[in-house]
This record gives sequence, structure tokens and C-alpha cells, in this order.
Amino acid sequence: DTAVSQTPKYLVTQMGNDKSIKCEQNLGHDTMYWYKQDSKKFLKIMFSYNNKELIINETVPNRFSPKSPDKAHLNLHINSLELGDSAVYFCASSFPGSNEQFFGPGTRLTVL
Amino acid sequence: GDSVTQMEGPVTLSEEAFLTINCTYTATGYPSLFWYVQYPGEGLQLLLKATKADDKGSNKGFEATYRKETTSFHLEKGSVQVSDSAVYFCALDNDYKLSFGAGTTVTVRA
Repeated sequence: DTAVSQTPKYLVTQMGNDKSIKCEQNLGHDTMYWYKQDSKKFLKIMFSYNNKELIINETVPNRFSPKSPDKAHLNLHINSLELGDSAVYFCASSFPGSNEQFFGPGTRLTVL
Repeated sequence: GDSVTQMEGPVTLSEEAFLTINCTYTATGYPSLFWYVQYPGEGLQLLLKATKADDKGSNKGFEATYRKETTSFHLEKGSVQVSDSAVYFCALDNDYKLSFGAGTTVTVRA
């Protein structure tokens, strides 16, 4: 009964490929987020969706495209992967109007 | 813009030692403040939070007090255990967007 789950946990791929990371939450939250954690553990928000609508879009290359098929899912698609995209990507969710976020276990992306 | 500055690590302590991790922030308005913890190989978990000045958040023996006059939210624990080894992140929430500090890696030795 994982609250926020992500697949895959590890992803190793070549430069130039296109890949997706999936996130699902079973907490009934309306708001979902994607964060990127670099090799120095620095965490930065990338996107936020509220009830399938994009509400936060930080300065992220347009190779990254989030997609929310319903409010329980927020997937992250990355085109033309680059070495600098190697990081751990975390999904999170929260109730609207709540500032407490629940995080998934992370997806470690390695671009070779 | 909003920002969080926290003490650089890594921090290595012996069991039962006192832990302090300093955190200061810059923000407009009145943000909520948080400490998140990331255990090895896991996602972040909320450790404690405070939503207004002079509030004290506490959980699992950890405490932090929201100090508006010094714009600080320092994390403390009186007696750490090996199981407290983790990365600790200070964060602020302004308009439902979390801004994190750089994280402090804490290692507790038996």
C-alpha cells in the first residue's frame, strides 16, 4: 500500500534516447510534483500539477514534458537525453492548500 | 526570490552526541518552514514543520523553532542514534512551492 510510487527505480540509458518515468499516488491528493536531485543532493522543483493542470513550471528544458492522465498520476517524459540529465528524480504529492508533501522513493536516471 | 541556506556537511557524530544543523532563510511574506529527512536509498520524509513565528516543531526527538527575528529554523536533537544517519533538508513553503536547502549529510557512529 505504497503512498507515492515511481517506476522504474533505476534507469540507465544512452544519450539521445527518449525515456519516461511514471508516478502514481493513492493518497487522494490533487496536487503532484516532480523534483530533480543532483549529485550533490541539491533538490529543485521542476513541475507541479493540480488536478491535471500545470501550475508550476520552473526553468526546465522543453525536452522535459510532464503528463497527467488523471489526478493520481504524473508522468515525466524526457526527450533527447543528455549527460546532465543524470540525477535522481522524485515525485511528490499533496492536498491542495496543504504545504505538506509526500515523496516517492525516487528514480535514479543515469545517462551514458 | 526565496532561498534556504543550511549548514554544510558532512557531519559525523558519535552515538548520544548532541546534533545541531543550522538553517536560515530568505523569503517574502510568512513562509512555513520544514525539515525533511532522506534515509539512504529512500525518498524524503517530513520530519517536522512550523507554520508561524515562535512555533516549535518536534518529532522523533528532533526539534526546531521558527525564529522570525533571525530568519532561522535550526534543527536539534539531544542524543543521536545510529539510525539518525541520513541527509537532512531544511525547506520553506511560500505559495505552495517548496524551496530546499542543499542538504546536510549526518553520519552517527556507534
